[in-house]
Amino acid sequence: EVQLVESGGGLVKPGGSLRLSCAASGITVTNAWMSWVRQAPGKGLEWLGRIKSKSEGGTTEYAAPVKGRFTISRDDSQNTLYLQMDSLKSEDTALYYCATDGTSAFNMWGQGAMVTVSS
Amino acid sequence: DIQMTQSPSTLSASVGDRVTITCRASQSITTWFAWYQHKPGKAPKPLIYKVSSLQSGVPSRFSASGSGTEFSLTISSLQPDDFATYYCQQYQSYPLTFGGGTKVEIK
Repeated sequence: EVQLVESGGGLVKPGGSLRLSCAASGITVTNAWMSWVRQAPGKGLEWLGRIKSKSEGGTTEYAAPVKGRFTISRDDSQNTLYLQMDSLKSEDTALYYCATDGTSAFNMWGQGAMVTVSS
Repeated sequence: DIQMTQSPSTLSASVGDRVTITCRASQSITTWFAWYQHKPGKAPKPLIYKVSSLQSGVPSRFSASGSGTEFSLTISSLQPDDFATYYCQQYQSYPLTFGGGTKVEIK
């Protein structure tokens, strides 16, 4: 059974940094395309970025609002996906999800990690 | 960017009703189109991929169709578990984009 578990959320001041983790079981993150998605309070779903599988180059793509501030990476030894978030703004306050990604769309999601950016 | 516009934004219906949600894309989408169900405090649940393919374990009362810029999700007989918010998504080109959501409420 595939399971994704996010962690690392919390309260951070504007301009600060936070790293979210997405621990995977039942899949090997090295071989998977994976994305991060967020939902701000009272808003809809917003795609943030994707990392392709290692065999397909492991390249990343980002949405404009987070490009240059957020970085997606993975640790193959830990079978974990990361989202490094720098220069955080109040508008980054949201519930953050990781998801497996591919031709079947986002077919497995974690439960989410809450990030609050406030002074 | 491909903009995704869902309608209606809110839908009030009763158990047993047939309901249809529409999603319009600002550019033509050939294959990579999906639908998700989302309930508060839970992970989004994938329902449909590649326009009309049912994800594993999704009940057959859910169906989807469409082409080009017009897509729809139909629930043939609404069940109590189906009251939720539904999102469409294109995963054809960057940035991947979601519709604004359709909340299905109890009438």
